[in-house]
Amino acid sequence: KAGVTQTPRYLIKTRGQQVTLSCSPISGHRSVSWYQQTPGQGLQFLFEYFSETQRNKGNFPGRFSGRQFSNSRSEMNVSTLELGDSALYLCASSIRTGGDSEAFFGQGTRLTVV
Amino acid sequence: GESVGLHLPTLSVQEGDNSIINCAYSNSASDYFIWYKQESGKGPQFIIDIRSNMDKRQGQRVTVLLNKTVKHLSLQIAATQPGDSAVYFCAEPPLSNAGNMLTFGGGTRLMVKP
Repeated sequence: KAGVTQTPRYLIKTRGQQVTLSCSPISGHRSVSWYQQTPGQGLQFLFEYFSETQRNKGNFPGRFSGRQFSNSRSEMNVSTLELGDSALYLCASSIRTGGDSEAFFGQGTRLTVV
Repeated sequence: GESVGLHLPTLSVQEGDNSIINCAYSNSASDYFIWYKQESGKGPQFIIDIRSNMDKRQGQRVTVLLNKTVKHLSLQIAATQPGDSAVYFCAEPPLSNAGNMLTFGGGTRLMVKP
């Protein structure tokens, strides 16, 4: 079956702009989590959505937001981009929420802010 | 709060040798740990997991050891192959089934010399 699909793969934006990233989970998976990966901070949890509701949120400013649609597809948005937002954004899908449900990661969206 | 970290940032081994990647955690109540492998240009991929009621768990060429006394776990890869070259992360979900919110260690880069 198809894996987790993230679009676009690469993105270049200017400071102050906003960006929307998309994640299509594995069919049947209802939980979608987002992570930011940078060389300095490593992999950091952004938020989790389950059944269209935000279940958990990491320690990121309000410029980072997300949502989940009824088909479990998820989007994350970053407004007023800063240079420090340059990172690989990873999406992971799981069948259920609950920590012990295996997370399947997409290949990520590489965001560069200039 | 919970934290998961790694001792060695880079590990270089000869093809065919065994590799050992270490990870420390801080919360003695932690009850579930996961190892991920991330190859260049890809998202993290599940390797193996272990619950706190176990000291050891084996997979195909991989073994995870958990020492709860010193809050340490390790990933052992037998007969390391070039395809094992990647960054390896230990990760931990939140306690109490609180969702798919993984806390990742800093990662260890494994380089396999032919």
